Amino acid sequence: GAVVSQHPSRVICKSGTSVKIECRSLDFQATTMFWYRQFPKQSLMLMATSNEGSKATYEQGVEKDKFLINHASLTLSTLTVTSAHPEDSSFYICSASDTVYEQYFGPGTRLTVT
Amino acid sequence: SQQGEEDPQALSIQEGENATMNCSYKTSINNLQWYRQNSGRGLVHLILIRSNEREKHSGRLRVTLDTSKKSSSLLITASRAADTASYFCATSTYSGGGADGLTFGKGTHLIIQP
Repeated sequence: GAVVSQHPSRVICKSGTSVKIECRSLDFQATTMFWYRQFPKQSLMLMATSNEGSKATYEQGVEKDKFLINHASLTLSTLTVTSAHPEDSSFYICSASDTVYEQYFGPGTRLTVT
Repeated sequence: SQQGEEDPQALSIQEGENATMNCSYKTSINNLQWYRQNSGRGLVHLILIRSNEREKHSGRLRVTLDTSKKSSSLLITASRAADTASYFCATSTYSGGGADGLTFGKGTHLIIQP
């Protein structure tokens, strides 16, 4: 149980385009979902926290207009990178929580902006 | 914000030996977790230790927590080639660990030589 999926697993896009990444909790309802970013050989950095039906809370330094997060249902959250640039190339990982005790991570999405 | 620091940043040992990784953090926490990440993949949750616990075991894993020194250690005994991965500590100020975004350390890259 407690499986989180992400789609796509890899995406390559051209500079200036937008990319949407989906995060789904497959066998549980996630009251809270988190989005992290990981640059090569670095650690994970929390970008934002989203609760179903409400606006996401962004960490300091993360542009909310560039990284649009929608948590429309208890099993789906999306992250849209708008007007992507090469510096946005990174590994994006989501996690989902159904309680206060556990957080389940997705397999990640590797974004490459050319 | 990033507050965890792991050391060493990289560790290479022979199969069968024990591997010890350390993590330090800066602020008060409610719990600390250790995760494993294989290259380019998502995170695997290893163990959670609460702030009122000093030591915890899970299989070949032993975690200690010293809140007075704001540090934790992860010991992997009888290492195997499959243990080759990056290991991260992550802290939460929430009483649970699920509903709060995690602050990750920089990680230790562990290589087990066959």
